[in-house]
Amino acid sequence: EAGVAQSPRYKIIEKRQSVAFWCNPISGHATLYWYQQILGQGPKLLIQFQNNGVVDDSQLPKDRFSAERLKGVDSTLKIQPAKLEDSAVYLCASSPDAWSDEKLFFGSGTQLSVL
Amino acid sequence: QQPVQSPQAVILREGEDAVINCSSSKALYSVHWYRQKHGEAPIFLMILLKGGEQKGHDKISASFNEKKQQSSLYLTASQLSYSGTYFCGTEGVDSSYKLIFGSGTRLLVRP
Repeated sequence: EAGVAQSPRYKIIEKRQSVAFWCNPISGHATLYWYQQILGQGPKLLIQFQNNGVVDDSQLPKDRFSAERLKGVDSTLKIQPAKLEDSAVYLCASSPDAWSDEKLFFGSGTQLSVL
Repeated sequence: QQPVQSPQAVILREGEDAVINCSSSKALYSVHWYRQKHGEAPIFLMILLKGGEQKGHDKISASFNEKKQQSSLYLTASQLSYSGTYFCGTEGVDSSYKLIFGSGTRLLVRP
């Protein structure tokens, strides 16, 4: 089966610019996650969707970050305006449903460098 | 709250054993283990649930001590392919399927 697809693979922008990342989860997966992974750290959950509804966005810096999953399938994460500290790998993950025994399938991520 | 992993890094010779620990200050419902190689996506290893048994496949196994809110990952007779960063992800009993990941343990297996 096809895995979680993310694009772009790399992105370099200057601070105060905007950027968007795209994620297409595994077909049929109801739950979609966006994680931020700063170099040397573990993934930090930004937002969790169940179908097209938001389950948790408590860690999302809402003054600059936004995310949507309009049709309950693919999702976009946007940063506007970007700051230097946003430099990180942005990982998208999906799971069949939001159950404790469901494993997460991760995409390869988008590596963002903010100069 | 983020779980604490130890050690932060470990270097092994091929064939040696290692234990990676993950502890939380919160009551846990589940613990997930993932391995990530440099520049790649994290890959699922196993899930341990509250009330469940120790799990394992091949030479990698894990345990979950609910009373101590701790989990340990056991790597026996390590292989070169085991090199990478290991993350535990914990779900609190009150956090509705929300996984919080630790900072990771870097494992390097040398020939």
